[in-house]
Amino acid sequence: DGGITQSPKYLFRKEGQNVTLSCEQNLNHDAMYWYRQDPGQGLRLIYYSQIVNDFQKGDIAEGYSVSREKKESFPLTVTSAQKNPTAFYLCASSMAGVDEQYFGPGTRLTVT
Amino acid sequence: RKEVEQDPGPFNVPEGATVAFNCTYSNSASQSFFWYRQDCRKEPKLLMSVYSSGNEDGRFTAQLNRASQYISLLIRDSKLSDSATYLCVVNEEGYSGAGSYQLTFGKGTKLSVIP
Repeated sequence: DGGITQSPKYLFRKEGQNVTLSCEQNLNHDAMYWYRQDPGQGLRLIYYSQIVNDFQKGDIAEGYSVSREKKESFPLTVTSAQKNPTAFYLCASSMAGVDEQYFGPGTRLTVT
Repeated sequence: RKEVEQDPGPFNVPEGATVAFNCTYSNSASQSFFWYRQDCRKEPKLLMSVYSSGNEDGRFTAQLNRASQYISLLIRDSKLSDSATYLCVVNEEGYSGAGSYQLTFGKGTKLSVIP
């Protein structure tokens, strides 16, 4: 089955620790995205990548980092510099030249 | 600032009812419009794309009014399984197909279909 996988589903960390969220897709999509969703809020774009070895900051990139070494993988690191890291993190992908994005199941990160 | 505004909801409707959601967007040059459905604590899933004058898929109809900059979603004969939050999504950069990294998401409208 083709799709987007994110792991883990739930993640708990202590304040001050960096944590990396996994996102893998086997849809052969060129573009990949990271969003965060907070209760009662719309999705906000953290980072996106349109091709391998290239990525761009979204609206709320501070305190996050990404890499895109392979077409199918786009991991997100939540660093200790992110002031409010507890959120629902969603990874998405899309084909080049197509606007529709498809989402993975998400990772719920709780930092205490 | 890019804005996508939706009816705040929640909408509580009986089974079989017809319900409509509206959404307004700020950029008159926007070209791409979508409705996503999000179940509680799950990821958003694409429900419909709205590209020109509207789109229909079974019980769901999406309309686009460029002059007034709003999109609507109509659900006929509501089912219990339609209960979810409906997200209005707009490509606010004014071009289509060149990369959807500028999608703007509304906060969603919650629908509860009651037996």
